[in-house]
Amino acid sequence: EAGVTQFPSHSVIEKGQTVTLRCDPISGHDNLYWYRRVMGKEIKFLLHFVKESKQDESGMPNNRFLAERTGGTYSTLKVQPAELEDSGVYFCASSQEIRTPLQYFGPGTRLTVT
Amino acid sequence: AQTVTQSQPEMSVQEAETVTLSCTYDTSESDYYLFWYKQPPSRQMILVIRQEAYKQQNATENRFSVNFQKAAKSFSLKISDSQLGDAAMYFCALEKLVFGKGTKLTVNP
Repeated sequence: EAGVTQFPSHSVIEKGQTVTLRCDPISGHDNLYWYRRVMGKEIKFLLHFVKESKQDESGMPNNRFLAERTGGTYSTLKVQPAELEDSGVYFCASSQEIRTPLQYFGPGTRLTVT
Repeated sequence: AQTVTQSQPEMSVQEAETVTLSCTYDTSESDYYLFWYKQPPSRQMILVIRQEAYKQQNATENRFSVNFQKAAKSFSLKISDSQLGDAAMYFCALEKLVFGKGTKLTVNP
């Protein structure tokens, strides 16, 4: 069974540019989560999809971040325009049920904004 | 607000020895899950062990065990017979969706 995959693994962009991160959850997992870890700090929750609907987006830092999950399969996280403080590792995770512990994480996308 | 605190940014252990990673948390919930995740240098985060708060018995998974003290809101991870492959960042996490800053574990041969 394929795990959670994320693309790209690493992205380097300039301030003001746009970047789109992609997450493919495990097939059949309705729940998809995005997290971010800024260097040396906690992993922060960004948002939670149940199928194609946003269940909780309380962690989204500002309106420069847009997450979508069309069709309830893969998800994208767009940052536009990127700022220096957006640098970090963006993780995606999926689970079968809401209360199931988040056992399946993707490898993360390392975003560097210069 | 829910919080998770890992007070040890880095720890080291000799191969075959035992190490304990600390985690304290705060929540107003009475029933919740606690987790320890491991993130090796390859970056894929893996669930190591989980504990349901209503279960008094400490969870154990092979060489990994926890010391869960609900009243003290403490959830430490003990790794016995440490192996080189245990070297990683370890994150303590609380349901729902709150992580600690992580502890970098180095295993010395």
